[in-house]
Amino acid sequence: QKEVEQDPGPLSVPEGAIVSLNCTYSNSAFQYFMWYRQYSRKGPELLMYTYSSGNKEDGRFTAQVDKSSKYISLFIRDSQPSDSATYLCAMSAGGYNKLIFGAGTRLAVHP
Amino acid sequence: DTAVSQTPKYLVTQMGNDKSIKCEQNLGHDTMYWYKQDSKKFLKIMFSYNNKELIINETVPNRFSPKSPDKAHLNLHINSLELGDSAVYFCASSQPGQVMNTEAFFGQGTRLTVV
Repeated sequence: QKEVEQDPGPLSVPEGAIVSLNCTYSNSAFQYFMWYRQYSRKGPELLMYTYSSGNKEDGRFTAQVDKSSKYISLFIRDSQPSDSATYLCAMSAGGYNKLIFGAGTRLAVHP
Repeated sequence: DTAVSQTPKYLVTQMGNDKSIKCEQNLGHDTMYWYKQDSKKFLKIMFSYNNKELIINETVPNRFSPKSPDKAHLNLHINSLELGDSAVYFCASSQPGQVMNTEAFFGQGTRLTVV
């Protein structure tokens, strides 16, 4: 079993839709949870970061962490074609512990 | 003003060759990484250096040898290249803090194709 599981998609939605992306994990030591966005042929860039359980909102993006269920989510409201990218969840126990990535979910938002 | 830069961006080479990828960061970070991303987009850490010291060394063939001449540079040398080494290699950097060392800034990647 992988430490972090993420449905690779692809996910195709119409513009304006609400998108839900999810990851599950097995390591209860993880405390830091991130979502990275990767456009085609580019490096990943940090989109959202959450420490421990709870919600965090940034514009159209909301990140949720449920440590009891070992489940994290990223919601995108009013999705735009420019949101079309691969979204990777990542998590770490902190300090110098390595960042573990999910497989990434490819999202396509069509006009 | 590029934060993490890698060269070359593309690398096509024959099996058995030796090649190097260079990485430089101008963010003043202490920690640098090499990640490998396979064709299915799975991103996996290979090495991590903190202030020129190796701190993470994943199960990677010893044909891969990282080298950090200073904390702003982390190079990756690959000997005897194999077909299975074809992937995109990303360099990244981050700054250790009191609580976390997790936000990594990535370079644009080096697409290695072994033929």
